[in-house]
Amino acid sequence: QQQVKQSPQSLIVQKGGISIINCAYENTAFDYFPWYQQFPGKGPALLIAIRPDVSEKKEGRFTISFNKSAKQFSLHIMDSQPGDSATYFCAATTSGGYQKVTFGIGTKLQVIP
Amino acid sequence: DAGVIQSPRHEVTEMGQEVTLRCKPISGHDYLFWYRQTMMRGLELLIYFNNNVPIDDSGMPEDRFSAKMPNASFSTLKIQPSEPRDSAVYFCASSWDRGGTFNYGYTFGSGTRLTVV
Repeated sequence: QQQVKQSPQSLIVQKGGISIINCAYENTAFDYFPWYQQFPGKGPALLIAIRPDVSEKKEGRFTISFNKSAKQFSLHIMDSQPGDSATYFCAATTSGGYQKVTFGIGTKLQVIP
Repeated sequence: DAGVIQSPRHEVTEMGQEVTLRCKPISGHDYLFWYRQTMMRGLELLIYFNNNVPIDDSGMPEDRFSAKMPNASFSTLKIQPSEPRDSAVYFCASSWDRGGTFNYGYTFGSGTRLTVV
C-alpha cells in the first residue's frame, strides 16, 4: 500500500534548468511533509520540509509547493546544478511525537552540464 | 561527532548463512531506526527503538530477521538464514524527541550493502 506516490522515478535536466518532482498522498491525517536528498553511497538527509498551513516554502534554490485540497506537493529545484544530482524522496507523517514516516519511491535526478 | 556508524559497508554472503549488521547511533539520540532500501520498494522501515526498547517491529519481513539494542550506543540487525531476496542496502538512522517534538531530520548512516548469492 503506497500512501505517498512520487513521480517521475527518474529525471534528466540540463544545468540551469528547473527540476520538478511531484508527490501525492492519501492520508488526510498527514501534517508534515519532508523531502530527503540521497547522494550515491550515502544515507538520505533532510533537505526541506513543509506543513499544510502554508502553500509554499523556499530555501535557496529549493522550493516546496503544497496543494492541500488536491493532496499534492512538489519539489522545485531552480537553476539545477550537477551537484544536485541525487535521489530525492518525498515523505509524509504526523508531527508531534514520533509517527511512522511514509516515503515515496524516490526520484533519481541527473543534472547534465 | 562521527555521525551514525554502520558496519560493514559491504557484505557478500552465501544463501543460508547468518548475517549481522551493526550500528552505532549518535550519542544522545534516543530513537534508532533500521531501514531497508531496494529499487522496487524504496525505503522500508523494518524496526525502531526508543530508549533501547523495540517499539514497532511490524516492518520486519520474516522471523529470519531480528534486531537488538543492548545499550544506547549499539544495535544489531541479524538475518538467519539469509536468502537472495534479502539483498538490499540496510540503513540505520538515529534521532531524538524533546518535549514531544520529534526531529524528523534523521541522521542516517552510510548503509550496508548486502548481497546474498
